[in-house]
Amino acid sequence: EPEVTQTPSHQVTQMGQEVILRCVPISNHLYFYWYRQILGQKVEFLVSFYNNEISEKSEIFDDQFSVERPDGSNFTLKIRSTKLEDSAMYFCASRDQGHYGYTFGSGTRLTVV
Amino acid sequence: RKEVEQDPGPFNVPEGATVAFNCTYSNSASQSFFWYRQDCRKEPKLLMSVYSSGNEDGRFTAQLNRASQYISLLIRDSKLSDSATYLCVVNRAGNAGNMLTFGGGTRLMVKP
Repeated sequence: EPEVTQTPSHQVTQMGQEVILRCVPISNHLYFYWYRQILGQKVEFLVSFYNNEISEKSEIFDDQFSVERPDGSNFTLKIRSTKLEDSAMYFCASRDQGHYGYTFGSGTRLTVV
Repeated sequence: RKEVEQDPGPFNVPEGATVAFNCTYSNSASQSFFWYRQDCRKEPKLLMSVYSSGNEDGRFTAQLNRASQYISLLIRDSKLSDSATYLCVVNRAGNAGNMLTFGGGTRLMVKP
């Protein structure tokens, strides 16, 4: 079964540092997403990406965040200057056109110390 | 009011029991509805879509009431492996984003 792959599975970083979370969506999918889940809380939407541009973003996705699809395969989330409150599980997801069910990756656990 | 509201539980049930989860959503423009399952510290996995006419997948039955903005999930003959958090999810369509809005989840623990 095709899957969404995320790396690394766990990243520890110091406050103020930049991090890049990587995702390889399912190859024929057209829509890409980042969600996050703070421990013990609900899954929250960050950003959606289609046709090489952001199509929607939440209030959480401020100027510290950016996304990129550099090579037609990878989909990355960059946090420029991490804060303690950025500690969370970050999930990448993708879907095909016409289907509303997403496939999620297994997540990257980001710990900011 | 929360966009998607669920009873957090936990629901503790014996194997073989029937259990029902409810969910309400606030945005009447929501167009697609889902139940996802999430195991501890894992990603959400799609359990089933929810259709207006109601739908069944094995031991799982989902119902949608658009007038009341209410979604339900019924699990029959519970198995130990059903222990997880069940997430009610709605999809606001109308743009290329199609973002999902998650409820906080209902935790189910099935005991031997």
